[in-house]
Amino acid sequence: DSGVTQTPKHLITATGQRVTLRCSPRSGDLSVYWYQQSLDQGLQFLIQYYNGEERAKGNILERFSAQQFPDLHSELNLSSLELGDSALYFCASSVTPGQDYGYTFGSGTRLTVV
Amino acid sequence: DAKTTQPPSMDCAEGRAANLPCNHSTISGNEYVYWYRQIHSQGPQYIIHGLKNNETNEMASLIITEDRKSSTLILPHATLRDTAVYYCIVRAQTPGNTPLVFGKGTRLSVIA
Repeated sequence: DSGVTQTPKHLITATGQRVTLRCSPRSGDLSVYWYQQSLDQGLQFLIQYYNGEERAKGNILERFSAQQFPDLHSELNLSSLELGDSALYFCASSVTPGQDYGYTFGSGTRLTVV
Repeated sequence: DAKTTQPPSMDCAEGRAANLPCNHSTISGNEYVYWYRQIHSQGPQYIIHGLKNNETNEMASLIITEDRKSSTLILPHATLRDTAVYYCIVRAQTPGNTPLVFGKGTRLSVIA
């Protein structure tokens, strides 16, 4: 157990639907990162939050959004789903800047869009 | 962040040392070298990182050349469980804690 909890582990949904992925960071970590990994794209950075505020944005589609709540858990919302959104979605957390000992990743959510 | 170049795949015999190279010829003075690995669809796992000195922990050793343009991750006694994709990432430790950008990595196969 890495300390980063992602739910659900698996999700199957239809095209056009909306889903929410949840991430609880490791205790004490203020930064949360979301990554998408599909077969042909590798690990793609989507978005970063630090203590509730958006800090960096990567290749995140406009149909996707995220937020970090006061208790530091984060949610990634995916809407108008397409077949190509099928992928593994990972959340990672890290300690405050200046004490960077690396990211801790969760075990991921496998999303299948049918 | 500087770009890294890694061989796409490597094999290593079980029990032998696995030496994974990484080139980062455009690395800047404030950029660290990080290594992560990903075992078949699991979340990536942090291994080690360093700035210019060689580093060792319970998982691996990191050897950085004096000019910092390349590095080698060493798994001293590879086991079958070390079969994974290994990512070398160069990144500055800025106050904003910029995100890690993963490349294609090296697929290490440990063979019995």
